[in-house]
Amino acid sequence: DQQVKQNSPSLSVQEGRISILNCDYTNSMFDYFLWYKKYPAEGPTFLISISSIKDKNEDGRFTVFLNKSAKHLSLHIVPSQPGDSAVYFCAARLYGNKLVFGAGTILRVKS
Amino acid sequence: EAQVTQNPRYLITVTGKKLTVTCSQNMNHEYMSWYRQDPGLGLRQIYYSMNVEVTDKGDVPEGYKVSRKEKRNFPLILESPSPNQTSLYFCASSLSSKQETQYFGPGTRLLVL
Repeated sequence: DQQVKQNSPSLSVQEGRISILNCDYTNSMFDYFLWYKKYPAEGPTFLISISSIKDKNEDGRFTVFLNKSAKHLSLHIVPSQPGDSAVYFCAARLYGNKLVFGAGTILRVKS
Repeated sequence: EAQVTQNPRYLITVTGKKLTVTCSQNMNHEYMSWYRQDPGLGLRQIYYSMNVEVTDKGDVPEGYKVSRKEKRNFPLILESPSPNQTSLYFCASSLSSKQETQYFGPGTRLLVL
């Protein structure tokens, strides 16, 4: 029973365009949502997060949107760059430091 | 440099041969955790530790042991590895159990034959 789902295993985008990565969740008790980025042969690195009491958080080219009624969040990358090519994991915090991760989406940004 | 280190990075072993994967962090973090990453399943938590001498099971603890004798180290022990423990393992740490952002090590790729 996956509480956090990333339904798109991969996404391909042209350099300079917008990348939109999606994530759905089922547990309404999650209070924080995070995106991690992972390059090959490296560990995941924290990218951006959003509290469940907000609906948008922005950090440079990265914006995360949260739609609590739909139990859906998305990560927007504008403009996309070839260096953004990586695996993106959506994660949700249940309590304390308990994180539940999605399966990941491979983003390829073509130049 | 603030970091989480893991050793070894790659390991091939045989069924039943005990092994230990080490994890160390230099950020004085209280909270440490082990995850495994498998295709289509994302990262699943194996064990975690809120502080020295305090450890608890995560979602997939079977076949694993941990210890936390010092704040900086959190080794993962496979007493009798089996092929279904072939996976990519990550150690992570955070300042406290209340902080949602975790810092990950580079990963250990394990193959059990």
